[in-house]
Amino acid sequence: GAGVSQSPRYKVAKRGQDVALRCDPISGHVSLFWYQQALGQGPEFLTYFQNEAQLDKSGLPSDRFFAERPEGSVSTLKIQRTQQEDSAVYLCASRRGAGYGYTFGSGTRLTVV
Amino acid sequence: QKEVEQDPGPLSVPEGAIVSLNCTYSNSAFQYFMWYRQYSRKGPELLMYTYSSGNKEDGRFTAQVDKSSKYISLFIRDSQPSDSATYLCAMRWNTGNQFYFGTGTSLTVIP
Repeated sequence: GAGVSQSPRYKVAKRGQDVALRCDPISGHVSLFWYQQALGQGPEFLTYFQNEAQLDKSGLPSDRFFAERPEGSVSTLKIQRTQQEDSAVYLCASRRGAGYGYTFGSGTRLTVV
Repeated sequence: QKEVEQDPGPLSVPEGAIVSLNCTYSNSAFQYFMWYRQYSRKGPELLMYTYSSGNKEDGRFTAQVDKSSKYISLFIRDSQPSDSATYLCAMRWNTGNQFYFGTGTSLTVIP
């Protein structure tokens, strides 16, 4: 596609509910990243995929967070048993390869009530 | 101490002014430096991407990197109201994949 597409744009979840956030990267981009952006803060790294392999998940804040990219294109970030502190914008980005900058999607704004 | 420090502002300037945005960092291993612009409720958009020290110019935008001082800057000439946004600096190691972001500086250009 022309850009990185994320869905849903907005998600309201009750505390304890599981959520799934989808990212459709730019076609042909092998690298895919998830970032979390709290209000008034810069994005913070969550996890990185190269094709279908999750090469770095050091930024995932707890074992309630899980990401996958089974066929090396679309990725899903899943948050189990959501907590209020999970409220943030979740940004997905893709990259053509090393030496290039990211292209970000518009994000999913998650609000946990 | 955060890896990347950035003054959050807000910064307000009249149209046509030269804007200077800055970040400092603590990790001397950073080699790639970027500036992103983020409009409200949008994802960050890449403006400038530089490797190591030096200057890079693209239209009204100039990025400077001073690795000896661990200091990077973005200059915007002839600022326009459409430049009103939050500007984020970001950087990464040579062999790393993770980008480290500043908190962003909110800029308003007043017509």
